[in-house]
Amino acid sequence: AQSVTQPDIHITVSEGASLELRCNYSYGATPYLFWYVQSPGQGLQLLLKYFSGDTLVQGIKGFEAEFKRSQSSFNLRKPSVHWSDAAEYFCAVGASGGSYIPTFGRGTSLIVHP
Amino acid sequence: EAGVTQFPSHSVIEKGQTVTLRCDPISGHDNLYWYRRVMGKEIKFLLHFVKESKQDESGMPNNRFLAERTGGTYSTLKVQPAELEDSGVYFCASSRTGLDLYEQYFGPGTRLTVT
Repeated sequence: AQSVTQPDIHITVSEGASLELRCNYSYGATPYLFWYVQSPGQGLQLLLKYFSGDTLVQGIKGFEAEFKRSQSSFNLRKPSVHWSDAAEYFCAVGASGGSYIPTFGRGTSLIVHP
Repeated sequence: EAGVTQFPSHSVIEKGQTVTLRCDPISGHDNLYWYRRVMGKEIKFLLHFVKESKQDESGMPNNRFLAERTGGTYSTLKVQPAELEDSGVYFCASSRTGLDLYEQYFGPGTRLTVT
C-alpha cells in the first residue's frame, strides 16, 4: 500500500520569499503524484499532478514540483510567495495501474508574514 | 461550470443523534467520492460511487455510516447514531472517467462536531 509523509506541519515564510514544501512517498511502482491546496472555506484545489514524462511539473498559481525517484520525493516550490498563498497544502499519491483513490499526507499549513 | 457543493457547511450534534450530509457533484461527473479528515490527520477515503452504484466502500468505518446516491446525481452520507470519534471534516469530490478519474474536484467540506 502507498503512503505519503509531509514532515512539516506548519511552515512560516515572509511574503516574497521562496517556498519549498516537502513530500515523501512510499510506493512500489511508478506513482501518480499530486499537490492540492485548501484555502479557508474552500475545497481542495488541484495545483499540479505528475503521471509520467518531465519530472519538473508546472502547476497553477506559479507553483512547480519535481519528482525525484531516487529520493521518493515530490517537493512543491514557489519562487516568491504571496500573502494569498496562505493555506493548507496536501501531497497525495495514486497507484498507477491500480486504485485511482489517492492517499493523502497530513498536510502542511503555510503561514505568510507581510 | 459550478463546482462541487456540500451542505451543511457545519453541523454540531450530540452523541447518539443522526446527521445527514449532502453532496452535489459537478454536472456530468459520474464518479463521486466521500472522504473524511479527522483533525490534524490525513484525508481518508470513505467510498466511491459510479453513477448510482457503490464501486468501492472499503473506507467506510462501520455500519453507522450509510451513503446513497439517488439517480446518480447528488449523494447523501448519513451517520446514525453519531459517536464522538465521527467528528471531522467530510469532503465530497467528483470526477469524470478514464485518466480523469485521477483529477478529482473537491467540495469545501462539511465540518461535523459530535459533542
